[in-house]
Amino acid sequence: DTGVSQDPRHKITKRGQNVTFRCDPISEHNRLYWYRQTLGQGPEFLTYFQNEAQLEKSRLLSDRFSAERPKGSFSTLEIQRTEQGDSAMYLCASSSDTEQYFGPGTRLTVT
Amino acid sequence: GENVEQHPSTLSVQEGDSAVIKCTYSDSASNYFPWYKQELGKRPQLIIDIRSNVGEKKDQRIAVTLNKTAKHFSLHITETQPEDSAVYFCAASKYGGSQGNLIFGKGTKLSVKP
Repeated sequence: DTGVSQDPRHKITKRGQNVTFRCDPISEHNRLYWYRQTLGQGPEFLTYFQNEAQLEKSRLLSDRFSAERPKGSFSTLEIQRTEQGDSAMYLCASSSDTEQYFGPGTRLTVT
Repeated sequence: GENVEQHPSTLSVQEGDSAVIKCTYSDSASNYFPWYKQELGKRPQLIIDIRSNVGEKKDQRIAVTLNKTAKHFSLHITETQPEDSAVYFCAASKYGGSQGNLIFGKGTKLSVKP
């Protein structure tokens, strides 16, 4: 599969724990995006990378959230001290020119 | 910042009928308007997009229209089929689509009854 991949697909964690998600974009894509989607809502933008540079961050991205793309390829999204309100689907997308291609998402459940 | 409103939230049609979903946006600088289809448990997939220098775009049974003056755009699906059943999201961007974030509407759940 040459599409965007995300790992893990599902994560259940207890409140207060840290979690990290990984996104592998389509190999030739230099732009990578993270979105969050809750039930019944559209995806909400979190942050955006061009190569290894993080160019934009949403106000939704509190100081408990951090994202990296160290070599301009895969990206990680870490959530520290998780809260129940963090429960959502975390979607990664990548693009090279026009279309943003989405990954399958990581579903996070905080208990 | 940009705000995208989408209507209706649910839409039920008979197979073969047409379906129309409407979105409005607030930021006049927005210049790229994609539509995504998301089936249950699957990733959003782009079905059609339009840029602000075009008023209408068609791809087989799907068309999108854009009214920049009124700041609204619509998705038209003709001859609907059961496999068109899904949640459809409109989005807007002022960065041409690939150079920045998309702002999504809340989605329309389309049900096509056979």
